[in-house]
Amino acid sequence: KQEVTQIPAALSVPEGENLVLNCSFTDSAIYNLQWFRQDPGKGLTSLLLIQSSQREQTSGRLNASLDKSSGRSTLYIAASQPGDSATYLCAPYFNSGNTPLVFGKGTRLSVIA
Amino acid sequence: GAVVSQHPSRVICKSGTSVKIECRSLDFQATTMFWYRQFPKQSLMLMATSNEGSKATYEQGVEKDKFLINHASLTLSTLTVTSAHPEDSSFYICSARATGVDSPLHFGNGTRLTVT
Repeated sequence: KQEVTQIPAALSVPEGENLVLNCSFTDSAIYNLQWFRQDPGKGLTSLLLIQSSQREQTSGRLNASLDKSSGRSTLYIAASQPGDSATYLCAPYFNSGNTPLVFGKGTRLSVIA
Repeated sequence: GAVVSQHPSRVICKSGTSVKIECRSLDFQATTMFWYRQFPKQSLMLMATSNEGSKATYEQGVEKDKFLINHASLTLSTLTVTSAHPEDSSFYICSARATGVDSPLHFGNGTRLTVT
């Protein structure tokens, strides 16, 4: 069974801190991996897509890395801001083609001003 | 960029009635769309895969006669919750992906269904 685990489940940090969110998955034979953000009561916003041939992707203050051999991905958020408060979800693509994503429970982040 | 629109964003209905949720891909064609369900503080659980022009594929434990899916065009999929019950109250989210294996999956803003 393909499973995704995210640690920690919840995180509270003061504004300005750098932080790392962890994601692990059971099947290292993944294709791509996507990180999302979900605000309360809202849908998902795509943050970064790491393709199978890449090891990391950067967008502004966000940097995501992917280590397929160990089944892990990390999302690094630099200089956190209160507006970063949300739940962060990682989702590996376990198959190529147009297949759905499997989600973990996410990390609920609170950045305190 | 690619956008997925979901409507309505919130609906309250009485037990026994049916509710239809629409999912549209606004600037790309989607032969496949995915419907997820999310309970409070839980992750997204895949309900079904909607295929344009053919029957949807349902995940184990999801009643196909209760959750009717119609994917009549390349830009529209609908989910109808039939004979809704309070336990169907949840957050329903659709997603779609433009063609190309490396295209990201995009999600709608979700529909909060409350059955009274």
